[in-house]
Amino acid sequence: DTGVSQDPRHKITKRGQNVTFRCDPISEHNRLYWYRQTLGQGPEFLTYFQNEAQLEKSRLLSDRFSAERPKGSFSTLEIQRTEQGDSAMYLCASSNLPNQPQHFGDGTRLSIL
Amino acid sequence: SQELEQSPQSLIVQEGKNLTINCTSSKTLYGLYWYKQKYGEGLIFLMMLQKGGEEKSHEKITAKLDEKKQQSSLHITASQPSHAGIYLCANAGGTSYGKLTFGQGTILTVHP
Repeated sequence: DTGVSQDPRHKITKRGQNVTFRCDPISEHNRLYWYRQTLGQGPEFLTYFQNEAQLEKSRLLSDRFSAERPKGSFSTLEIQRTEQGDSAMYLCASSNLPNQPQHFGDGTRLSIL
Repeated sequence: SQELEQSPQSLIVQEGKNLTINCTSSKTLYGLYWYKQKYGEGLIFLMMLQKGGEEKSHEKITAKLDEKKQQSSLHITASQPSHAGIYLCANAGGTSYGKLTFGQGTILTVHP
Protein backbone atom coordinates (compact mmCIF):
# COMPACT_ATOMS: atom_id res chain seq x y z
CA ASP A 1 0.00 0.00 0.00
CA THR A 2 1.85 3.04 -1.28
CA GLY A 3 -0.92 5.47 -0.35
CA VAL A 4 -2.54 8.21 -2.42
CA SER A 5 -0.01 10.26 -4.37
CA GLN A 6 -0.55 13.81 -5.62
CA ASP A 7 1.61 15.87 -7.93
CA PRO A 8 2.77 18.58 -7.75
CA ARG A 9 2.81 19.38 -4.01
CA HIS A 10 2.93 23.08 -4.70
CA LYS A 11 1.96 25.16 -7.71
CA ILE A 12 2.43 28.90 -8.08
CA THR A 13 0.98 30.50 -11.16
CA LYS A 14 -0.20 33.82 -12.48
CA ARG A 15 -3.86 34.69 -12.69
CA GLY A 16 -5.34 33.60 -15.98
CA GLN A 17 -3.06 30.61 -16.50
CA ASN A 18 -4.24 27.01 -16.73
CA VAL A 19 -3.06 24.41 -14.22
CA THR A 20 -3.38 20.65 -14.03
CA PHE A 21 -2.99 18.41 -10.98
CA ARG A 22 -2.58 14.66 -10.90
CA CYS A 23 -3.76 12.09 -8.35
CA ASP A 24 -2.73 8.44 -8.18
CA PRO A 25 -5.08 6.56 -5.83
CA ILE A 26 -4.35 3.40 -3.90
CA SER A 27 -4.18 0.75 -6.62
CA GLU A 28 -7.18 -1.41 -5.67
CA HIS A 29 -9.48 1.55 -4.94
CA ASN A 30 -12.13 2.17 -7.58
CA ARG A 31 -13.59 5.29 -5.93
CA LEU A 32 -11.77 8.59 -6.25
CA TYR A 33 -12.73 11.97 -4.76
CA TRP A 34 -11.46 15.53 -5.15
CA TYR A 35 -11.85 18.09 -2.36
CA ARG A 36 -10.77 21.70 -1.96
CA GLN A 37 -9.63 23.18 1.35
CA THR A 38 -9.11 26.86 2.11
CA LEU A 39 -7.31 28.21 5.15
CA GLY A 40 -9.14 27.61 8.41
CA GLN A 41 -11.83 25.46 6.84
CA GLY A 42 -12.49 21.78 6.41
CA PRO A 43 -12.25 20.22 2.94
CA GLU A 44 -15.19 20.73 0.58
CA PHE A 45 -16.29 18.06 -1.88
CA LEU A 46 -15.67 18.81 -5.56
CA THR A 47 -16.26 15.63 -7.55
CA TYR A 48 -16.41 11.83 -7.41
CA PHE A 49 -15.37 9.05 -9.79
CA GLN A 50 -16.26 5.40 -9.69
CA ASN A 51 -13.77 3.73 -11.98
CA GLU A 52 -13.65 6.04 -15.04
CA ALA A 53 -17.17 7.44 -14.62
CA GLN A 54 -17.62 10.88 -13.06
CA LEU A 55 -20.81 10.36 -11.07
CA GLU A 56 -21.13 13.52 -9.01
CA LYS A 57 -19.99 17.13 -9.28
CA SER A 58 -20.39 19.88 -6.71
CA ARG A 59 -21.78 23.30 -7.59
CA LEU A 60 -18.33 24.50 -6.49
CA LEU A 61 -16.96 23.00 -9.69
CA SER A 62 -17.47 25.86 -12.12
CA ASP A 63 -17.12 25.56 -15.89
CA ARG A 64 -13.43 26.42 -15.53
CA PHE A 65 -12.83 23.16 -13.67
CA SER A 66 -12.67 19.78 -15.33
CA ALA A 67 -11.69 16.40 -13.95
CA GLU A 68 -10.95 13.14 -15.68
CA ARG A 69 -10.09 9.59 -14.81
CA PRO A 70 -9.56 8.10 -18.26
CA LYS A 71 -8.60 4.54 -17.44
CA GLY A 72 -10.09 4.27 -14.02
CA SER A 73 -6.70 4.64 -12.38
CA PHE A 74 -5.09 8.08 -11.98
CA SER A 75 -7.12 11.28 -12.19
CA THR A 76 -6.39 14.83 -13.30
CA LEU A 77 -8.02 18.07 -12.20
CA GLU A 78 -7.60 21.04 -14.54
CA ILE A 79 -8.42 24.65 -13.76
CA GLN A 80 -8.60 27.01 -16.71
CA ARG A 81 -8.13 30.77 -16.52
CA THR A 82 -7.22 30.66 -12.83
CA GLU A 83 -8.57 33.34 -10.49
CA GLN A 84 -7.39 34.56 -7.09
CA GLY A 85 -10.23 32.67 -5.43
CA ASP A 86 -8.85 29.38 -6.73
CA SER A 87 -5.96 29.58 -4.27
CA ALA A 88 -6.45 26.57 -1.99
CA MET A 89 -5.24 23.11 -1.14
CA TYR A 90 -6.63 20.51 -3.57
CA LEU A 91 -6.95 17.11 -1.96
CA CYS A 92 -7.52 13.74 -3.57
CA ALA A 93 -8.89 10.71 -1.73
CA SER A 94 -9.70 7.13 -2.65
CA SER A 95 -11.64 4.20 -1.20
CA ASN A 96 -12.95 0.86 -2.35
CA LEU A 97 -16.41 0.92 -0.74
CA PRO A 98 -18.78 3.79 0.16
CA ASN A 99 -18.78 3.03 3.88
CA GLN A 100 -15.03 2.53 4.12
CA PRO A 101 -12.64 5.32 5.09
CA GLN A 102 -11.34 7.57 2.36
CA HIS A 103 -7.56 7.76 2.29
CA PHE A 104 -6.16 11.16 1.41
CA GLY A 105 -3.06 12.30 -0.41
CA ASP A 106 -0.89 15.16 0.84
CA GLY A 107 -2.61 17.59 -1.51
CA THR A 108 -1.53 20.18 -4.06
CA ARG A 109 -1.30 23.71 -2.72
CA LEU A 110 -2.20 26.23 -5.42
CA SER A 111 -1.17 29.86 -5.10
CA ILE A 112 -2.37 32.43 -7.62
CA LEU A 113 -0.21 35.54 -8.00
CA SER B 1 -24.33 27.94 9.52
CA GLN B 2 -22.34 24.81 8.89
CA GLU B 3 -23.85 21.33 8.82
CA LEU B 4 -21.09 20.15 11.19
CA GLU B 5 -19.95 22.40 14.01
CA GLN B 6 -16.79 21.59 15.95
CA SER B 7 -15.93 22.98 19.35
CA PRO B 8 -13.67 24.36 20.46
CA GLN B 9 -12.17 25.94 17.34
CA SER B 10 -8.75 25.84 18.97
CA LEU B 11 -7.30 24.31 22.08
CA ILE B 12 -3.99 24.76 23.87
CA VAL B 13 -3.08 22.22 26.53
CA GLN B 14 -0.07 21.23 28.59
CA GLU B 15 1.47 17.86 27.84
CA GLY B 16 -0.13 15.15 29.92
CA LYS B 17 -3.55 16.80 30.12
CA ASN B 18 -6.77 15.21 28.87
CA LEU B 19 -8.94 16.98 26.32
CA THR B 20 -12.20 16.60 24.43
CA ILE B 21 -13.27 17.87 21.02
CA ASN B 22 -16.94 17.90 20.08
CA CYS B 23 -18.67 17.60 16.72
CA THR B 24 -22.36 18.47 16.47
CA SER B 25 -24.46 17.89 13.38
CA SER B 26 -27.67 19.52 12.22
CA LYS B 27 -28.48 16.27 10.40
CA THR B 28 -28.36 12.59 11.25
CA LEU B 29 -24.84 11.23 11.16
CA TYR B 30 -24.75 8.20 8.88
CA GLY B 31 -21.06 7.53 9.19
CA LEU B 32 -18.94 9.82 11.33
CA TYR B 33 -15.24 9.99 10.56
CA TRP B 34 -12.44 11.59 12.51
CA TYR B 35 -9.32 12.70 10.69
CA LYS B 36 -6.13 14.43 11.81
CA GLN B 37 -4.24 16.90 9.63
CA LYS B 38 -0.83 18.45 10.11
CA TYR B 39 -0.43 21.92 8.66
CA GLY B 40 0.07 21.81 4.89
CA GLU B 41 -0.39 18.07 4.68
CA GLY B 42 -3.11 15.57 3.88
CA LEU B 43 -5.62 13.99 6.22
CA ILE B 44 -4.85 10.92 8.31
CA PHE B 45 -7.80 8.65 9.09
CA LEU B 46 -8.31 8.07 12.82
CA MET B 47 -11.66 6.36 13.38
CA MET B 48 -15.08 5.72 11.90
CA LEU B 49 -18.32 5.43 13.89
CA GLN B 50 -21.57 4.23 12.39
CA LYS B 51 -23.89 3.04 15.14
CA GLY B 52 -25.54 5.18 17.80
CA GLY B 53 -23.76 4.63 21.10
CA GLU B 54 -20.66 3.27 19.38
CA GLU B 55 -17.29 3.94 20.98
CA LYS B 56 -13.86 3.20 19.52
CA SER B 57 -10.36 3.64 20.86
CA HIS B 58 -6.94 3.73 19.28
CA GLU B 59 -3.94 4.23 21.52
CA LYS B 60 -4.84 7.24 23.66
CA ILE B 61 -7.68 8.51 21.47
CA THR B 62 -11.33 7.55 22.07
CA ALA B 63 -14.25 8.58 19.88
CA LYS B 64 -17.95 8.23 20.68
CA LEU B 65 -21.15 8.66 18.68
CA ASP B 66 -24.21 9.53 20.77
CA GLU B 67 -27.39 7.47 20.66
CA LYS B 68 -29.29 10.00 18.58
CA LYS B 69 -26.43 10.09 16.09
CA GLN B 70 -26.15 13.84 15.95
CA GLN B 71 -23.08 14.39 18.07
CA SER B 72 -19.65 12.86 18.39
CA SER B 73 -16.76 13.50 20.74
CA LEU B 74 -13.05 12.80 20.48
CA HIS B 75 -11.17 12.39 23.73
CA ILE B 76 -7.39 12.34 24.09
CA THR B 77 -5.92 11.00 27.30
CA ALA B 78 -2.54 12.18 28.57
CA SER B 79 -1.84 14.37 25.55
CA GLN B 80 1.59 14.46 23.92
CA PRO B 81 3.20 16.94 21.51
CA SER B 82 2.69 14.34 18.77
CA HIS B 83 -1.07 14.81 19.16
CA ALA B 84 -0.81 18.41 17.94
CA GLY B 85 -2.57 19.18 14.67
CA ILE B 86 -6.00 19.87 13.23
CA TYR B 87 -8.78 17.43 14.06
CA LEU B 88 -11.64 17.19 11.59
CA CYS B 89 -14.93 15.38 11.84
CA ALA B 90 -16.82 14.39 8.70
CA ASN B 91 -20.25 12.97 7.90
CA ALA B 92 -20.70 10.48 5.09
CA GLY B 93 -24.14 11.97 4.47
CA GLY B 94 -25.98 8.78 3.62
CA THR B 95 -25.18 8.98 -0.10
CA SER B 96 -24.36 5.90 -2.13
CA TYR B 97 -21.01 7.30 -3.16
CA GLY B 98 -19.75 8.35 0.26
CA LYS B 99 -19.17 12.08 -0.22
CA LEU B 100 -17.81 13.55 3.03
CA THR B 101 -18.99 16.80 4.60
CA PHE B 102 -16.43 18.18 7.03
CA GLY B 103 -16.53 20.36 10.09
CA GLN B 104 -14.28 23.42 10.17
CA GLY B 105 -11.66 21.67 12.29
CA THR B 106 -10.19 22.07 15.77
CA ILE B 107 -6.59 23.21 16.08
CA LEU B 108 -4.82 21.44 18.93
CA THR B 109 -1.55 22.71 20.39
CA VAL B 110 0.23 20.66 23.04
CA HIS B 111 2.97 22.39 25.01
CA PRO B 112 5.77 20.19 26.35
